[in-house]
Amino acid sequence: GAVVSQHPSWVICKSGTSVKIECRSLDFQATTMFWYRQFPKQSLMLMATSNEGSKATYEQGVEKDKFLINHASLTLSTLTVTSAHPEDSSFYICSASGVAKNIQYFGAGTRLSVL
Amino acid sequence: DQQVKQNSPSLSVQEGRISILNCDYTNSMFDYFLWYKKYPAEGPTFLISISSIKDKNEDGRFTVFLNKSAKHLSLHIVPSQPGDSAVYFCAASEPWTDKLIFGTGTRLQVFP
Repeated sequence: GAVVSQHPSWVICKSGTSVKIECRSLDFQATTMFWYRQFPKQSLMLMATSNEGSKATYEQGVEKDKFLINHASLTLSTLTVTSAHPEDSSFYICSASGVAKNIQYFGAGTRLSVL
Repeated sequence: DQQVKQNSPSLSVQEGRISILNCDYTNSMFDYFLWYKKYPAEGPTFLISISSIKDKNEDGRFTVFLNKSAKHLSLHIVPSQPGDSAVYFCAASEPWTDKLIFGTGTRLQVFP
């Protein structure tokens, strides 16, 4: 149980285009979903927290107009990287909570490469 | 300011022996601690957690110890297996939020 699916697993795009990443909780209702970014050999940096039907809460330093988050239902959240640039290339990971307090279940991550 | 620290970036252990991964934190308000395991290019997998009201939690080969006075927790893996080779992250949360603060990770390598 507590499976989180994230798609796509790898995406390559041209600079200036937008990329959408989906995160789905497959067997539970996610009261909260989280989006992280991980740079090579570094920790997971929380970008934003989203609750179904409400606006996402972004961490300090994260551009909300750059990283659009939509949490349309209790099982789906999307992250759209708008007008992507090479510096946005990174590993993006989503997680969801709702099974047990404080425990987040993670998707497999998305490797974004912006050319 | 790194509130959760894993000072050992890597650890190498022989198969069958004990692996001990350490984590220190600075925020005394943290009330819940978790350990995650992560393979390259994959998302972290939840391993084990502990509430601040306890000092030990065990699940199979994994045991987490919490020393609140020292603001220190550790994960013991006994016996270590080659499949345990991965990066291990500790994480902590405060009582009024679902957010997790992650450490920088320790790469564990278990060799035959």
